[in-house]
Amino acid sequence: QKEVEQNSGPLSVPEGAIASLNCTYSDRVSQSFFWYRQYSGKSPELIMSIYSNGDKEDGRFTAQLNKASQYVSLLIRDSQPSDSATYLCAARSIMNTGFQKLVFGTGTRLL
Amino acid sequence: DGGITQSPKYLFRKEGQNVTLSCEQNLNHDAMYWYRQDPGQGLRLIYYSQIVNDFQKGDIAEGYSVSREKKESFPLTVTSAQKNPTAFYLCASSPRTTDYEQYFGPGTRLTVT
Repeated sequence: QKEVEQNSGPLSVPEGAIASLNCTYSDRVSQSFFWYRQYSGKSPELIMSIYSNGDKEDGRFTAQLNKASQYVSLLIRDSQPSDSATYLCAARSIMNTGFQKLVFGTGTRLL
Repeated sequence: DGGITQSPKYLFRKEGQNVTLSCEQNLNHDAMYWYRQDPGQGLRLIYYSQIVNDFQKGDIAEGYSVSREKKESFPLTVTSAQKNPTAFYLCASSPRTTDYEQYFGPGTRLTVT
């Protein structure tokens, strides 16, 4: 199993609706998770981080972490055309050297 | 404005040539990273540096080299030993390696023919 997995999509969401993006993770990652937004041809932009079980809200974005089920979600309320992008889920993972790196999922494309 | 700059935005090279990608940050961040991104794959860590004059290999360091002589700068050299160098290269930084929120530069798209 990959450390972080995402459905590649594309996910099509009507304007004004709620977009729900999901990410599952393995036991090999630590309990810190990040959502990045990446527009086509551009670099990733950090939009949310979540460290504790439960919900974290920031504007139209809500990150949800469920440690028991090993998934983390990103909800986007009132979806806008400007939300069309690929959303990357990332988590901490410990390397053999002891360094904690970020591992990324392959991203979910939102239309 | 504080931020991370990468240059050039696009780079074209012939096979067998070494090429150096620039990454500069004025955020006073200690830690810097290099990733590559290929279609359909997640970002993969090439090298990282936690402090000036120190750097470590990431998951896919073969065919790459870096230096960290200044806190602000972390250039990446793609050598001719790298078998598949065509990719989107991303530089990132964080205040410390214990701060896991990493911020990315705009990237360099390298094409080798």
